[in-house]
Amino acid sequence: GAVVSQHPSWVICKSGTSVKIECRSLDFQATTMFWYRQFPKQSLMLMATSNEGSKATYEQGVEKDKFLINHASLTLSTLTVTSAHPEDSSFYICSARDLGGEHYNEQFFGPGTRLTVL
Amino acid sequence: SQQGEEDPQALSIQEGENATMNCSYKTSINNLQWYRQNSGRGLVHLILIRSNEREKHSGRLRVTLDTSKKSSSLLITASRAADTASYFCATEHSSASKIIFGSGTRLSIRP
Repeated sequence: GAVVSQHPSWVICKSGTSVKIECRSLDFQATTMFWYRQFPKQSLMLMATSNEGSKATYEQGVEKDKFLINHASLTLSTLTVTSAHPEDSSFYICSARDLGGEHYNEQFFGPGTRLTVL
Repeated sequence: SQQGEEDPQALSIQEGENATMNCSYKTSINNLQWYRQNSGRGLVHLILIRSNEREKHSGRLRVTLDTSKKSSSLLITASRAADTASYFCATEHSSASKIIFGSGTRLSIRP
């Protein structure tokens, strides 16, 4: 139990295009999901907190108009990188907080999505 | 910076030796977790220690937490080549319930 998936696992796109990454909690419900970004040989940096049914909360320095987050249901959050540029190439990881059951209030991480912008 | 600090940044030891990594953080926390990440891969959850706990064991792993010093340590005993990876501490903040990662330690085990 407590599995989080991401789709796609990797994506290559051209500069200027938009890319959508999905984060799903497969066997639990999550009102809150989190998006992280990790550059090579660096740690994970929290980008934003995604709340079901409301606007996301962005960390300082993260452009909300560039990184669009939609948390439309208790099992799905999406991150759209708009007008992607090569500097947006990174490993994007989501996590989801379990609402109840055995893993109440614990967070579980997805396997990550590697984005390469040409 | 939103990150906690870890030291050392890199550690290279002989197989069979023990490895110790330290983590310091800045704010009040609900819990502290340690993760492992192999190059280019996702996170593997190792252990969680709550703010009211001082020490926890899991197999070859031993984690300590000192909330007065806002620090934690991860000890891996009898290291193996397969332990080569990056290790991150991650703190769940009391105020915002978000998880913030430390800067990480790159561990290399020499055969």
